[in-house]
Amino acid sequence: DQQVKQNSPSLSVQEGRISILNCDYTNSMFDYFLWYKKYPAEGPTFLISISSIKDKNEDGRFTVFLNKSAKHLSLHIVPSQPGDSAVYFCAASASDSNYQLIWGAGTKLIIKP
Amino acid sequence: KAGVTQTPRYLIKTRGQQVTLSCSPISGHRSVSWYQQTPGQGLQFLFEYFSETQRNKGNFPGRFSGRQFSNSRSEMNVSTLELGDSALYLCASSFRRPAGYNEQFFGPGTRLTVL
Repeated sequence: DQQVKQNSPSLSVQEGRISILNCDYTNSMFDYFLWYKKYPAEGPTFLISISSIKDKNEDGRFTVFLNKSAKHLSLHIVPSQPGDSAVYFCAASASDSNYQLIWGAGTKLIIKP
Repeated sequence: KAGVTQTPRYLIKTRGQQVTLSCSPISGHRSVSWYQQTPGQGLQFLFEYFSETQRNKGNFPGRFSGRQFSNSRSEMNVSTLELGDSALYLCASSFRRPAGYNEQFFGPGTRLTVL
């Protein structure tokens, strides 16, 4: 039972354009969401997070949008740069499970020159 | 500041053996979490330690265990290895807990292959 789903295994975007990575979840108790980025042979690195009391959070080129009614989360990267090529993981947690992180399977983003 | 270090980086074992993986968190971080990543899968939470106490545990069999020492270093042990235990094991540390509510810093992982 996948509670956090990233339905696109890969995404290819032109450099300079917008990258949109999507994430769906099934557990309505999730109240905190995070995005991590992972390069090959390295551990994931934290990108951005959002609490369920918000619907948007921005940090530089990265913006996360949360649609609670649709149980949908998206990460926007504008403009996309070659260094953004990596695997992006969406993760969610809930206070009733002591904030145990549940992860999606990841989306591989490829930025084309 | 040194990052999270994990040793060894690669390990090959045979079925039935046991293995111990080590993680040194960032200095000052007291929360250490362990994750398993298999091909095509997201990370699966194993457990979280804080101040030498296990604070949270994922849905893994009892063959998977861990501990944390007074200097916050942590070890993870898998006994009676099975082929399905082949995976990348990631350790992450954070200053505060719970780990799922705070930015975590990950090590590069230990790649375990069970033959």
